[in-house]
Amino acid sequence: DAKTTQPNSMESNEEEPVHLPCNHSTISGTDYIHWYRQLPSQGPEYVIHGLTSNVNNRMASLAIAEDRKSSTLILHRATLRDAAVYYCILRARGGGSNYKLTFGKGTLLTVNP
Amino acid sequence: DTAVSQTPKYLVTQMGNDKSIKCEQNLGHDTMYWYKQDSKKFLKIMFSYNNKELIINETVPNRFSPKSPDKAHLNLHINSLELGDSAVYFCASSLEGARGTYTFGSGTRLTVV
Repeated sequence: DAKTTQPNSMESNEEEPVHLPCNHSTISGTDYIHWYRQLPSQGPEYVIHGLTSNVNNRMASLAIAEDRKSSTLILHRATLRDAAVYYCILRARGGGSNYKLTFGKGTLLTVNP
Repeated sequence: DTAVSQTPKYLVTQMGNDKSIKCEQNLGHDTMYWYKQDSKKFLKIMFSYNNKELIINETVPNRFSPKSPDKAHLNLHINSLELGDSAVYFCASSLEGARGTYTFGSGTRLTVV
């Protein structure tokens, strides 16, 4: 999978928006951008994914740069339950093993009350 | 109804023993995975099965043997356990394809003493 770069950690205050950046300058035209998060002592959880257009769902929004070399996960109002490690992952459209999710170090989000 | 369920949740065993972890998904997904998360919290893929066929084997010692009796089950058997096998093991499932999102189980914490 193509490489992504995320800050090691970020801090936010409760009920404020959070913008989690991800750089993926080597993204190919068919790579999907996926975001997952892992809450303490739990398995990773799907958050959102997109290809070219911005995406919204009940959990978050995904803003994708026009050149697709970066993206931002937006949590509109952070809660204490959003404290987790957030992973930005590119998934190739190839066959077989190219579909695998390869996790990096992610961004540890701390939410202050 | 748990989408991806793993058993047991905790496993403490002595070096040299053989143990199994079971995983079942009720999502109708055609691809299942085993991931290992070590003490440094890195998540690494170990195996992937698509429709009962092994498609990913990520340089895992052959003491680890996955078995997929059907599309809904992927078990992990570990022979001759070593101290370094201590980790949290996550099962996951997805539909094949770059858009397919993963659903993870809650993990099995294996401690080898």
